[in-house]
Amino acid sequence: DAGVIQSPRHEVTEMGQEVTLRCKPISGHNSLFWYRQTMMRGLELLIYFNNNVPIDDSGMPEDRFSAKMPNASFSTLKIQPSEPRDSAVYFCASSFRNTGELFFGEGSRLTVL
Amino acid sequence: AQSVTQPDIHITVSEGASLELRCNYSYGATPYLFWYVQSPGQGLQLLLKYFSGDTLVQGIKGFEAEFKRSQSSFNLRKPSVHWSDAAEYFCAVGAGGYQKVTFGIGTKLQVIP
Repeated sequence: DAGVIQSPRHEVTEMGQEVTLRCKPISGHNSLFWYRQTMMRGLELLIYFNNNVPIDDSGMPEDRFSAKMPNASFSTLKIQPSEPRDSAVYFCASSFRNTGELFFGEGSRLTVL
Repeated sequence: AQSVTQPDIHITVSEGASLELRCNYSYGATPYLFWYVQSPGQGLQLLLKYFSGDTLVQGIKGFEAEFKRSQSSFNLRKPSVHWSDAAEYFCAVGAGGYQKVTFGIGTKLQVIP
């Protein structure tokens, strides 16, 4: 079975550019989570969806960040405009029936120059 | 809001020695508790979980954890560490109707010969 699929795996961009990260959750999972991992702050929950509806976006750092889940099999996290402090690894995770047991993708490593 | 404390950022153990990684949580009700492991460049993988019932839970790779409500702890143990166990370990607590999962800062385990 395919796991959570994230793309791109690596992204290098310049400050001010738009960045879009993509995630395909495990089929049948109804919750989707976006996390950001940095050395300084560890794993931070940015936003999570249940049945494609955003439930809690209190972790989204600022208006430059937005996330969508147009259907059960796809989600995007967009940063516009990007800044060097956004450099991090962004993880997508999905879960089934709100058990809290998360299945993680391999992450998207973002470097903003 | 729930929180997780992992007091040890780095731990070094000899191969074959026993291991205990500490985790304390804060949550008003009975939490869902998890331990995840992350190898370099990879996403997180679930080691074990506690939802209810027996407070000693067994996981993959020979790990176990014990839930102690009186101490708000969920420590991870392994009787004999293998070199392949070197990784970063995250304790997490799930809470709320949609199981919002909050992670600790992580403990990096180094295994020496």
